[in-house]
Amino acid sequence: KAGVTQTPRYLIKTRGQQVTLSCSPISGHRSVSWYQQTPGQGLQFLFEYFSETQRNKGNFPGRFSGRQFSNSRSEMNVSTLELGDSALYLCASSLAAGVDTQYFGPGTRLTVL
Amino acid sequence: KNEVEQSPQNLTAQEGEFITINCSYSVGISALHWLQQHPGGGIVSLFMLSSGKKKHGRLIATINIQEKHSSLHITASHPRDSAVYICAVLKETSGSRLTFGEGTQLTVNP
Repeated sequence: KAGVTQTPRYLIKTRGQQVTLSCSPISGHRSVSWYQQTPGQGLQFLFEYFSETQRNKGNFPGRFSGRQFSNSRSEMNVSTLELGDSALYLCASSLAAGVDTQYFGPGTRLTVL
Repeated sequence: KNEVEQSPQNLTAQEGEFITINCSYSVGISALHWLQQHPGGGIVSLFMLSSGKKKHGRLIATINIQEKHSSLHITASHPRDSAVYICAVLKETSGSRLTFGEGTQLTVNP
């Protein structure tokens, strides 16, 4: 079974631009969570989606948004990029929401110049 | 104070040594995860625990719910075990939202 895939793997943008990241979960998984990892703040939760519904949102500004499609693929969007948005963005999928093993993708490394 | 605290932050060991990484948390949880992250970023889920003890190969994870404490042990450590080990908790009623410790950088020298 294929693992979680994320595209693109690397991205360079400039301040003020917007970016869309994509995550394809393991086949059959309906829950997708997004995380941001930076050297200063470590890993932080962004959002959780289950069956196209956002179930949880972390403490990030409204510039960060996401969605999930009927095939469970998920996208996250960051508008008006700031230097501090440079990070590794990871998504993880699981069969069910809640107490279940999460399988992580390789991440998208975003650099904002 | 962070809700999830790990110790030590950095650990250097010689090949073959027994290694212990500790995780303490201050909130009620549904489950605790141990994750491994290699250079380059990829994260692998090692264990998910709600109680007791789990073993997989040379890795053992234990949790004491009453004391709000978990340990990850590596027996007969090997240089390929060098990675960052991260403790993460699923707080009660938080869905799939994980709260992470800061990680333990483990280096195993040959």
